[in-house]
Amino acid sequence: DQQVKQNSPSLSVQEGRISILNCDYTNSMFDYFLWYKKYPAEGPTFLISISSIKDKNEDGRFTVFLNKSAKHLSLHIVPSQPGDSAVYFCAASAFTGGFKTIFGAGTRLFVKA
Amino acid sequence: DGGITQSPKYLFRKEGQNVTLSCEQNLNHDAMYWYRQDPGQGLRLIYYSQIVNDFQKGDIAEGYSVSREKKESFPLTVTSAQKNPTAFYLCASSMGHGNTIYFGEGSWLTVV
Repeated sequence: DQQVKQNSPSLSVQEGRISILNCDYTNSMFDYFLWYKKYPAEGPTFLISISSIKDKNEDGRFTVFLNKSAKHLSLHIVPSQPGDSAVYFCAASAFTGGFKTIFGAGTRLFVKA
Repeated sequence: DGGITQSPKYLFRKEGQNVTLSCEQNLNHDAMYWYRQDPGQGLRLIYYSQIVNDFQKGDIAEGYSVSREKKESFPLTVTSAQKNPTAFYLCASSMGHGNTIYFGEGSWLTVV
């Protein structure tokens, strides 16, 4: 039972263009969402988060959008840079679940120079 | 420097052996987690702990055990009951729900 789904295993984008990574979730109790970036053989690093009381959060080139009615969130990276090439994980947690945080399967982003 | 330290970075296990992965954090975080990543796959939760002396099973706890005797430490034992232990193991911590989870650098476990 995948509660957090990233349906696109990979995405290729030209440098300077926008990258849009998508994530869907099934548990309506999720109220906190995070995006992480991961390079091979390293631990994921935190990028940006959003709570369910908001529908948008922006930090520099990264913006996360949350659509609660659709149970969908997306990460926008603009402009995309070659150094953004990595695997991006979406994660979600619910207060009723304690501190349990569930991750999606990840999307590999390739930014071409 | 504050952070999460995992050791060893690389570990080889013989069939039938138990091995323990260490995780220490000096971030004063209440919650700690263990995740497993298989090649080309996402992060799956093995165990998590909200406070000292308390822990809960995640989605794939079978064949693993943990302890949380100190706030700073959350070691993971991979027992011989875990039939497919070869993977990349990630320890993480957070202040709790609604807070960012921070990860260690990971440990590679290979069965030989």
